[in-house]
Amino acid sequence: NAGVTQTPKFQVLKTGQSMTLQCAQDMNHEYMSWYRQDPGMGLRLIHYSVGAGITDQGEVPNGYNVSRSTTEDFPLRLLSAAPSQTSVYFCASSPDRAQETQYFGPGTRLLVL
Amino acid sequence: GESVGLHLPTLSVQEGDNSIINCAYSNSASDYFIWYKQESGKGPQFIIDIRSNMDKRQGQRVTVLLNKTVKHLSLQIAATQPGDSAVYFCAENTGGTSYGKLTFGQGTILTVHP
Repeated sequence: NAGVTQTPKFQVLKTGQSMTLQCAQDMNHEYMSWYRQDPGMGLRLIHYSVGAGITDQGEVPNGYNVSRSTTEDFPLRLLSAAPSQTSVYFCASSPDRAQETQYFGPGTRLLVL
Repeated sequence: GESVGLHLPTLSVQEGDNSIINCAYSNSASDYFIWYKQESGKGPQFIIDIRSNMDKRQGQRVTVLLNKTVKHLSLQIAATQPGDSAVYFCAENTGGTSYGKLTFGQGTILTVHP
C-alpha cells in the first residue's frame, strides 16, 4: 500500500490563479480530511468527508472547495489563490470515526505570490 | 515586530534523559486527546491518545497524563533518543470520537542532543 499520497509536493501560484491539490489513498478508508499548517501553528481543518459523495466544512473552509466522487480521491480546489493561502497542506484518511487511526500524507507546500 | 504563533516552545534534552512536553487545552468539553509527532518535511504521526475518563495512559516509552481540573495534558518520553527530535502536537476533540472535530495546539519543538 502506498498509503496517503499527495501531489504536487511543491507549487508556486500567482494571486488569482486556481489549482487543485490531489490526495489519494489506497486503503479503502471512508474518512478523509484536508488541513493547512501555517508557521508556528498547529493544523487547522479545511474540509472533510465521511464517505463518497459526502463532504463538510471544517474550521477554515473559505476559499477552498472539495468533492468526493470516489472513495480513493479527495481533491482540494483553490478557486482564486490569495497570499493568505500560502501554507503547507496535509491530507489525511481514516478507516472509521476513530481519530487515532488517521493517517497523514506527506504534504503539499504552496506559495502564493 | 514578532507575530504571535511564529515562535514555538522548544525543549532541548540530552540523549537518555526523560522529556516532558506540556499542552494546555482550551475546551472543558473536550473528551478525547491525541499526541502527534511531526518530523521535518513529513505529515503528523499518531503517538498516543487518551480519553477524558482516564488520567494516565502508557505506551512504548511514552506516557500521557491528563489533568482535567486545569485543562492540562503532558507527554512524557522515557530515555529520549535523537530520533525523537521533532515537533510534537497535542490535539483535542470536542466531538467525542467523531471525525473532523480535532483542534490542534501550536506544537513544541523537541531537540535531542547526542
